[in-house]
This record gives sequence, C-alpha cells and structure tokens, in this order.
Amino acid sequence: DAGVIQSPRHEVTEMGQEVTLRCKPISGHNSLFWYRQTMMRGLELLIYFNNNVPIDDSGMPEDRFSAKMPNASFSTLKIQPSEPRDSAVYFCASSPLGQPQHFGDGTRLSIL
Amino acid sequence: GENVEQHPSTLSVQEGDSAVIKCTYSDSASNYFPWYKQELGKGPQLIIDIRSNVGEKKDQRIAVTLNKTAKHFSLHITETQPEDSAVYFCAASMTARQLTFGSGTQLTVLP
Repeated sequence: DAGVIQSPRHEVTEMGQEVTLRCKPISGHNSLFWYRQTMMRGLELLIYFNNNVPIDDSGMPEDRFSAKMPNASFSTLKIQPSEPRDSAVYFCASSPLGQPQHFGDGTRLSIL
Repeated sequence: GENVEQHPSTLSVQEGDSAVIKCTYSDSASNYFPWYKQELGKGPQLIIDIRSNVGEKKDQRIAVTLNKTAKHFSLHITETQPEDSAVYFCAASMTARQLTFGSGTQLTVLP
C-alpha cells in the first residue's frame, strides 16, 4: 500500500523565496496533519484538516505560513517569504477520523 | 495545553536486554497515548498505542503501560535487537488528532 507521499524530499532555497511543500495522503484517510520537526522544539503540529476543511491552525507560526487542501488527495504548505529560522523537517501525516496517524518521510527544508 | 515529558533522552542497552522509556503528561483529559519510532531520514512510524480504558497493551516484544492516576505511561521493549536502534517518541492526546509529542529518546542497542 502506498503511504503518505511528500515532495520534494529536500529543498534548499534563499531567504525571501516562496516555498511550497506537497503532500498526498493515504487514500481513504479523511484527516491530514502538517508537523514541523526541529532540534530545539521537537515535533510540533502546525495545522490539521478534516474532510479537506482546516480545523485547527493554532500551531502555524505566523502569517507567512499557509496551508490548503483543495481535495481529498492533495495538500500544500506554503511559506512566503521564507526565513532561515524556517529551516526544519516538515512532515505530513494522515489518518481515518480519530484513528492513528501515518507519517510521510518528510521534506528537509533549508533556507539560506 | 498538554505538556509531555519523556525520559531518558538517550539510552544504550546490550542486545537481548530490555529497554524502558517513560513519559509523563499534564492534562488529565488526555486518553490516547501512541508511541512512534523514527529512523534516520524517515518519518515517525507508529509502533503501539494505548487508550485510557486499558492499563497495558502488548504486541510481541513491545508493551506499553499506562497509569492514569499518576499520569504516566511507559514503553517496554524486551529482547532488544540492533534494528530497534532509533529515536522513540511518546505522545498524548484527547482525540488522536492533536498529538503533543515528547522530546524523544535515542535508543542504541549494542551488539
């Protein structure tokens, strides 16, 4: 079975550029989550969707971050403009409603 | 909000020995406690979870215990193998949606 698919796996870009991270959840899963992992702060939930609708975005660090889920099989996390402190590994996870979350292998983002 | 503390941050054991990782949580309303294993360059992988209506759950060499009164839960790995070496995370949640993660334990199994 295909797991959660994230792209790109690695992204290196310069400060000020727009960054778009992509996620394809597991088919049939109706909850989708975006996390950020850093050494300093660990794994943090940024936002989650149920049935394509954003439910809780209280973890989104600031207005430079936005997330969308235009349909059940695709979500994006966008950072505009990017800053060096945004460097982290970003994970997408999906699950059936109320069930355990399955994580993708992440996007390692470096902002120079 | 929920706060999860995890100990130890690093743990080395000899192959075949047992490993125990402990977590405490702050919100008494939490009722779902998963454990994830993360290998280098990979995403966290669920290895076992427990809900608050049970005190213990086992899956082969892995077991989790929960003490709701004391607000702590533990992961037990028996007969450790080199492939068990990874970072392990505990988490707590009321709903299995808004997970709050512990800071992780780097487990090294020495051959």
